[in-house]
Amino acid sequence: GQNIDQPTEMTATEGAIVQINCTYQTSGFNGLFWYQQHAGEAPTFLSYNVLDGLEEKGRFSSFLSRSKGYSYLLLKELQMKDSASYLCAVRDSNYQLIWGAGTKLIIKP
Amino acid sequence: ETGVTQTPRHLVMGMTNKKSLKCEQHLGHNAMYWYKQSAKKPLELMFVYNFKEQTENNSVPSRFSPECPNSSHLFLHLHTLQPEDSALYLCASSQVAETTYEQYFGPGTRLTVT
Repeated sequence: GQNIDQPTEMTATEGAIVQINCTYQTSGFNGLFWYQQHAGEAPTFLSYNVLDGLEEKGRFSSFLSRSKGYSYLLLKELQMKDSASYLCAVRDSNYQLIWGAGTKLIIKP
Repeated sequence: ETGVTQTPRHLVMGMTNKKSLKCEQHLGHNAMYWYKQSAKKPLELMFVYNFKEQTENNSVPSRFSPECPNSSHLFLHLHTLQPEDSALYLCASSQVAETTYEQYFGPGTRLTVT
């Protein structure tokens, strides 16, 4: 079966750096997405990786290793507003999105 | 209005009621989706419409009935639901289905079945 694994919950300190990991086993690969979802709100698109390597977008970066079935989202200079759930999703060979259960990130002052 | 909107935001219904959820996208997209989000579980894709044609039905019980009158509007008709159907129902849209385009989500309808 197809599976996406990510930690259920993480805690970090304001101003610090946190890395949220995602591992996947899917039937084929056509890209990996990261979304942010604040409580009670819509998931919003953060990043898309289809080739190996690091994509940087301001304070957020996303890394992909297709050979290892692995990605991470790196958040720098954490702010209280970064407290949210972070969802990892992979497009399989049929372009269907397979979703992880999300990582709840708690930022402490 | 911009983006993807959903109404109502909250809905409480009994098991014998009939209600409908509405989604509207203002992004000019051609694909629309219904997802179910339960606590601590992955998003479950329910239905996909591409250019108003239903292209995906992931073994969803018939008590959920989608309708897509045009590329901008999507409905989910609900009848004789079960308590386990209580969840957040998210609508999303994208340029075209089954491509690499990202999806844009609405804020969801929090459904409680009593």
